[in-house]
Parts: sequence; structure tokens; C-alpha cells
Amino acid sequence: NAGVTQTPKFRILKIGQSMTLQCTQDMNHNYMYWYRQDPGMGLKLIYYSVGAGITDKGEVPNGYNVSRSTTEDFPLRLELAAPSQTSVYFCASNLLNRGQGAPEAFFGQGTRLTVV
Amino acid sequence: AQSVAQPEDQVNVAEGNPLTVKCTYSVSGNPYLFWYVQYPNRGLQFLLKYITGDNLVKGSYGFEAEFNKSQTSFHLKKPSALVSDSALYFCAVRAPRDSWGKLQFGAGTQVVVTP
Repeated sequence: NAGVTQTPKFRILKIGQSMTLQCTQDMNHNYMYWYRQDPGMGLKLIYYSVGAGITDKGEVPNGYNVSRSTTEDFPLRLELAAPSQTSVYFCASNLLNRGQGAPEAFFGQGTRLTVV
Repeated sequence: AQSVAQPEDQVNVAEGNPLTVKCTYSVSGNPYLFWYVQYPNRGLQFLLKYITGDNLVKGSYGFEAEFNKSQTSFHLKKPSALVSDSALYFCAVRAPRDSWGKLQFGAGTQVVVTP
């Protein structure tokens, strides 16, 4: 089982460049999430999706965009990279059905992004 | 608004000794609580969770956690630590009315187990 797969693992961007962080899951999960991890700050939610075609902002969405055209894929787009976006980015997925408790989310291995 | 606090940036423990990683939370209602572990250059791995029922929850790799509603705490414990337990540990909370599975994370606690 591949689980949640993120690419690339590492990337260095120059200020103003754009890139897309890829995330795919093979567990047929309906919910997907993007978090960023900064030292001493824990993980902060950027965007999330409850299914194909449905996305919403999280706690720190500025400077990012997402799309969800399929159940499996949830790419994160940075249009004009800034040094403040230097971080480790994690994609996660979950299978949530009404009334079925609180299943745990599965995380990818992360993308380490440096903006210089 | 919900929040999670992990008061210790780092916990140092000798191998074989008990390990405790502290977590307190603030959320309206009865929360869902999770512990995740992150090994170097890896993603987060699920350890255990509390939803309802028994206050003592057992999880992976010999870890357990105790939910204390009056103290709003969910401390992670292991009776005998191993060097391989050295990692970054995150406590997370999901509000009971959150239907989207959004997690609020603590800042993380680095655990260092020395031989």
C-alpha cells in the first residue's frame, strides 16, 4: 500500500517563482488536507477538501491555491514564492463518514521547500 | 477557539525509564484527541487516539495515554523507553462539532532517549 504520496521531497525556489506540490492517495479517502510545519509551531492547516470539486481554506491559506479534480489527487500551488513560505509541507487524507467516530488521518512524508 | 499546548520543547530520558510527554487542550465540548510521532525526515505516524469511553487508551509501540477531563489533559506515556523512541511527538485535537476532520496541533515535543 502506497498510502499518501508527495512529490517532490525537496525543492529550492527563487523568490517569485511558482510551483505545484503534488499529493496523491490510493486509499479512496474522501477528505484531504495540506498542512505546513514550521519549527516550534506545530502543523498549521492551509487548505482542505471534502471531495472532488470541493475545497475550503484552513488557518493559513494566503499565498496558496488548491484544486481537487479527482478523489486521489490534491495538488497545492504556490504562485509567487516568498521566503515566508519556506517550510515543510504535509499532505494528509482521511475517510470520514457521518456518525462513524473519528478515524485518524494518514500523512505523506512531506515536501521540504526553501525559498531564497 | 480550540488550542493545544505541549509545555515541554524537549524531554530527556534514559533508556528503560518511564517516558511522559505532556499535552493540555482547550476546546468546547468533548474533544477527539490524537498523538502522532515524527521520525527524522519522515511523515507523521499515528500512535493512538481518544474518542470516548475508557480514559486510558493503548496504542502502537507500547505507548498509552490518559484522558483527564477535569485537567483537560491527554498525556502520552510509555513504561520503559527505548532509544528508538527518540522522535518528535505531536498532540492534536479535533473539535467535536468539526465534521471535516480538521486537526489543531501542539508545537511538538522532542523526545531524546539516551542509552
